[in-house]
Amino acid sequence: AQSVSQHNHHVILSEAASLELGCNYSYGGTVNLFWYVQYPGQHLQLLLKYFSGDPLVKGIKGFEAEFIKSKFSFNLRKPSVQWSDTAEYFCAVYTNAGKSTFGDGTTLTVKP
Amino acid sequence: SQTIHQWPATLVQPVGSPLSLECTVEGTSNPNLYWYRQAAGRGLQLLFYSVGIGQISSEVPQNLSASRPQDRQFILSSKKLLLSDSGFYLCAWSVPGANTEAFFGQGTRLTVV
Repeated sequence: AQSVSQHNHHVILSEAASLELGCNYSYGGTVNLFWYVQYPGQHLQLLLKYFSGDPLVKGIKGFEAEFIKSKFSFNLRKPSVQWSDTAEYFCAVYTNAGKSTFGDGTTLTVKP
Repeated sequence: SQTIHQWPATLVQPVGSPLSLECTVEGTSNPNLYWYRQAAGRGLQLLFYSVGIGQISSEVPQNLSASRPQDRQFILSSKKLLLSDSGFYLCAWSVPGANTEAFFGQGTRLTVV
């Protein structure tokens, strides 16, 4: 069975600090990978996605993620966080139509 | 453009009462439809997904059931709620036949008392 592990449950950073959120998955076949974000009081929305091609993908608001197949990882990064990045972040894996697995989420708090 | 509607936004129900949460999608045909439960610190758990009318796949055994009576309507039900059914329920849809991202509704906060 597929699974997704997000290593950090709660991350606290100061503005302008760099961010890296870890995501590892377990599945032996082809996967599509996603990062979703949920800002306070808002619904889940897509941050970025990887299907194939360049393993470094760029998303909205300056976020990027790198797919490392050998490590089964899809870590999310941002060089300089802002207070408005405070949110909960979810990594997700899709292996075939309709089958998805989400990580437990990482709460990011950015101090102004 | 496509939109997803989920209601009600909040619900308080007594133990043993029935449940019906409704989700509808507009602006697309034959979407993949999903019901998730989001628990604090536990991420999203996929409960049910559907690739077509009357086609429901259940991911975890539980006190809940799902139905898809129409192409763009997805209903989450229970005959008798348990305290443990309390949580935040999310409906989502995705483009059929492809592993694209899911688009989520606003969610329903269910409290069973």
